[in-house]
Amino acid sequence: AQKVTQAQTEISVVEKEDVTLDCVYETRDTTYYLFWYKQPPSGELVFLIRRNSFDEQNEISGRYSWNFQKSTSSFNFTITASQVVDSAVYFCALSGGRGDQGAQKLVFGQGTRLTINP
Amino acid sequence: DAGVIQSPRHEVTEMGQEVTLRCKPISGHDYLFWYRQTMMRGLELLIYFNNNVPIDDSGMPEDRFSAKMPNASFSTLKIQPSEPRDSAVYFCASRPLSDEQFFGPGTRLTVL
Repeated sequence: AQKVTQAQTEISVVEKEDVTLDCVYETRDTTYYLFWYKQPPSGELVFLIRRNSFDEQNEISGRYSWNFQKSTSSFNFTITASQVVDSAVYFCALSGGRGDQGAQKLVFGQGTRLTINP
Repeated sequence: DAGVIQSPRHEVTEMGQEVTLRCKPISGHDYLFWYRQTMMRGLELLIYFNNNVPIDDSGMPEDRFSAKMPNASFSTLKIQPSEPRDSAVYFCASRPLSDEQFFGPGTRLTVL
């Protein structure tokens, strides 16, 4: 069975601090995909990144960066120089890779509520 | 592109009533998904369609829930009869053959 664990339920930091959101996953698939979504207070789910299991390169997009480590089954997300607008609930998700059908079912973690205080 | 469209955005109904949630996926997307979000259970996949055909409905909680996709541009999720424990935010998402899922704004359902 697939499982995603986001152990940090809530994080609160002061603006301009760096913050890392942890994500640990479990899967028996050799091919799989990992995702991060953002849910701001308005409620919609915003896609941030998708990474397949064969690509362990870290990725940076502006103030956002992701660290994928298969050895520890982790896909952590770091926000550098946080801003108030980063306040949201962040979800890590996993989908299988057994053919195209298996790749459809997203399993979400419970989410981390991030609050950036001015 | 207008994105995934869901209606209504908010629905308040009384226990026992029938509720129908609607979704218009992004044009050209082959897959459509229905999710439910609650505080207790988080985000759960209920059902998904490929080219209008239901592929996996193992997440549908019980027979009171049903979903249809009569054509490529429209899907419904129906709850009959509704119960207070069905109160949640219901999301619809769509995706093309090989890409990420795009979510709609959600429907907040309250069953009194």
